[in-house]
Amino acid sequence: DAKTTQPPSMDCAEGRAANLPCNHSTISGNEYVYWYRQIHSQGPQYIIHGLKNNETNEMASLIITEDRKSSTLILPHATLRDTAVYYCIGAGFQKLVFGTGTRLLVSP
Amino acid sequence: DAGVIQSPRHEVTEMGQEVTLRCKPISGHDYLFWYRQTMMRGLELLIYFNNNVPIDDSGMPEDRFSAKMPNASFSTLKIQPSEPRDSAVYFCASTPRLAASKNIQYFGAGTRLSVL
Repeated sequence: DAKTTQPPSMDCAEGRAANLPCNHSTISGNEYVYWYRQIHSQGPQYIIHGLKNNETNEMASLIITEDRKSSTLILPHATLRDTAVYYCIGAGFQKLVFGTGTRLLVSP
Repeated sequence: DAGVIQSPRHEVTEMGQEVTLRCKPISGHDYLFWYRQTMMRGLELLIYFNNNVPIDDSGMPEDRFSAKMPNASFSTLKIQPSEPRDSAVYFCASTPRLAASKNIQYFGAGTRLSVL
């Protein structure tokens, strides 16, 4: 699995976009970038994943740089319920390795 | 679908006792994963199964831990004997067959284990 680096914490105002960065400079060509989040006292929840192209779903958007060394998860209109730890994981067809993630606090 | 179901949600036991954690994966999912989460070590994969067969148990901490999957709809993680350092939240997750989606895992709510 690729080593990923994320800021330990971030703040965001409710209704604003939350942009969570992730560095994965050692990611290999066949490894995807996955994002999960874990709300307090719950199990991790899959958000989105991508290989090269930017991706969007009902939860978030994923922007991957052309060299694939970094990516940004975008929550377009953060709500209080988006307060959670967000994990960025570089992985191929093997087990996920969760790091320490970014603790996002969304405030009113 | 009800999602991945784990039981019990909370377990308090005394050191030396046997503990059994249970998991029912999402119907039709071929992969099942057991994780452990602690403040010190974060979220760690213990073992995973494919079609009820253990594939990788390299994360199982020691022989006191064992996991079984007797059928596609049920798995257990057993600790015998339990020790205080086993106190953690244990998560079960499942995922369907497709190779790329193996890493889109659906997690249960977890079992919080306290060993006194």
